[in-house]
Parts: sequence; structure tokens; C-alpha cells
Amino acid sequence: DARVTQTPRHKVTEMGQEVTMRCQPILGHNTVFWYRQTMMQGLELLAYFRNRAPLDDSGMPKDRFSAEMPDATLATLKIQPSEPRDSAVYFCASGLDEYGYTFGSGTRLTVV
Amino acid sequence: GNSVTQMEGPVTLSEEAFLTINCTYTATGYPSLFWYVQYPGEGLQLLLKATKADDKGSNKGFEATYRKETTSFHLEKGSVQVSDSAVYFCALSSRAQKLVFGQGTRLTINP
Repeated sequence: DARVTQTPRHKVTEMGQEVTMRCQPILGHNTVFWYRQTMMQGLELLAYFRNRAPLDDSGMPKDRFSAEMPDATLATLKIQPSEPRDSAVYFCASGLDEYGYTFGSGTRLTVV
Repeated sequence: GNSVTQMEGPVTLSEEAFLTINCTYTATGYPSLFWYVQYPGEGLQLLLKATKADDKGSNKGFEATYRKETTSFHLEKGSVQVSDSAVYFCALSSRAQKLVFGQGTRLTINP
């Protein structure tokens, strides 16, 4: 089965450090989402791309977060500098328009 | 903008009980509708989908019917199992629009 691959699965870092999360979408999918999940806020959309172009990143704190797709096989989400409130599970999902989206297993980030 | 409202949880049922999780939506145009399931410690998995009015999505004994007249997509299962314990998310998407999720409903099935 095709799958969305996210790395790393777990990340513990100190406040102020840069964190980079990576996502390999399913080949042929033209849409990529980044979501953040916490107990308090549930699922929050951070950014999404269609055909590698950013369409909406209004959910992302612009001063510290950035999302890019340098090529069709890689999406990245960076946090610089990281803060304890960024601790969450970050999910990447890819799909083909509205026909259904496949989620990765997530990156569990802990900022201490 | 588009939005999804789900029945608040948590929902606790006994094994073999009938399950309904309500979902209503607000959207322009004709969105596609989805149910996703998240098991503990895992990512979201697509459970079922429907892409047009009156379509019925089904998978693993779960069903949901796209009702445009009531803007609803309620999830049902006739006889739940302990293994169905998870968080269920209703979601919608329309062309060129982002995937929008409900807040999730935590389901616990007791033996």
C-alpha cells in the first residue's frame, strides 16, 4: 500500500532550537496538508499546498513556522525558534483533490 | 467558509450496540464528505467517503449517507466491537478548498 512517510516519528528538543519535520507524500498526489493535533485544540490546519504551490498558511504562526515543498517528493515544516507550546503531534497528509487524503503517522514533538 | 459540526463525545457503548455519530456541515457548492478514524497513537485513516448527494459510503460495517437536504453525513454501525474504540472525525473538502474537520468524537466500546 502506498503511504505518506513522516520523519522523525518522535522529536524532543530544547526551547529555542530549530525543528525540521519532513514528509514524503504519495507519488502522484497533488495536494499536501500539514496539521497539528493537541488535546486542547484538536486538529488545526497549518498549511497546504496544491501542485507544490502554497494555497493557505493562515493557520501557521508566521514568525516562527515555515512550510515548503522543494520538490514533489518532499514537504517540510520548520519551527525556529521552538517553544514549549509547540509540543504536539504534527501530521502530513496527501491526496488528489477531493477524492480522499492519506495521513502519515505523525511526528510527536516535545519542546522542553 | 466551510465548516463541520460533530456530535460531542465521549460516547461509551456496550459491545454489539448500535452506533450513530452525528455530523452536519456548512459548505458552498457540492463538497465531498469523509469519515476518518484515529486509533490510539496512530494517524488518521480514511474510513469512508461520499462524493455526491445520496451516495452511501461504507467500510468495515460502518455506513454514512450524504444528505444534501439536511446537510448531514451521520456515521452508523449496527453492532460495534471493542476494536472500534477510537476517535472519529467527520470532514469535508471541495475542489480547490482545504480539508475541513469536525472536532472529533471519542468512542469507547466496553465488552
